[in-house]
Amino acid sequence: NAGVTQTPKFRVLKTGQSMTLLCAQDMNHEYMYWYRQDPGMGLRLIHYSVGEGTTAKGEVPDGYNVSRLKKQNFLLGLESAAPSQTSVYFCASRKTGGNNQPQHFGDGTRLSIL
Amino acid sequence: AQSVTQLGSHVSVSEGALVLLRCNYSSSVPPYLFWYVQYPNQGLQLLLKYTTGATLVKGINGFEAEFKKSETSFHLTKPSAHMSDAAEYFCAVSEPSGNTPLVFGKGTRLSVIA
Repeated sequence: NAGVTQTPKFRVLKTGQSMTLLCAQDMNHEYMYWYRQDPGMGLRLIHYSVGEGTTAKGEVPDGYNVSRLKKQNFLLGLESAAPSQTSVYFCASRKTGGNNQPQHFGDGTRLSIL
Repeated sequence: AQSVTQLGSHVSVSEGALVLLRCNYSSSVPPYLFWYVQYPNQGLQLLLKYTTGATLVKGINGFEAEFKKSETSFHLTKPSAHMSDAAEYFCAVSEPSGNTPLVFGKGTRLSVIA
């Protein structure tokens, strides 16, 4: 059981380039989340999804887009990367059954924008 | 709106000493509360959670936390620190209903000194 898998693990981009981060989960979870982690800032929610075909904005959505075409995948896109988007990105998922269900996290994608 | 405050961005203890990591929350309704741990270069793992019932919650690796409604606190403790406990710890709060995502604190880095 792989859990939550994030691809790629590391990436370096130039300002203005685009890329897509992939999150895949094999637990049949309905809910999926994208966070960014910056020193001293904790985890901040970018976008989330409560089911296939649905997405919603989190705390810091600007500059990012997401898609949830398949239940097991949640994609995070950067259309035009900026140095301020240098961060570690985490994907998480959880099952239905209420907000007492814990989130399961991937190991992160370390992204540097030059 | 919910919020979480973790007092102390960095806590240092000696091996064998008591670990105390502080978490206070703000919520208009009795919340669900979580503690997660993050080891270097990994994602977050659930340590323990409080939903309802007994206010003293036991988690993995000998950690426990007590929900104190009157103090709006959910402090994490462990009687005797091990070197392997060195990590970053995050407190998180969730409303008991609706699709409102978790709100994380900014984290506390625990160092354990031999």
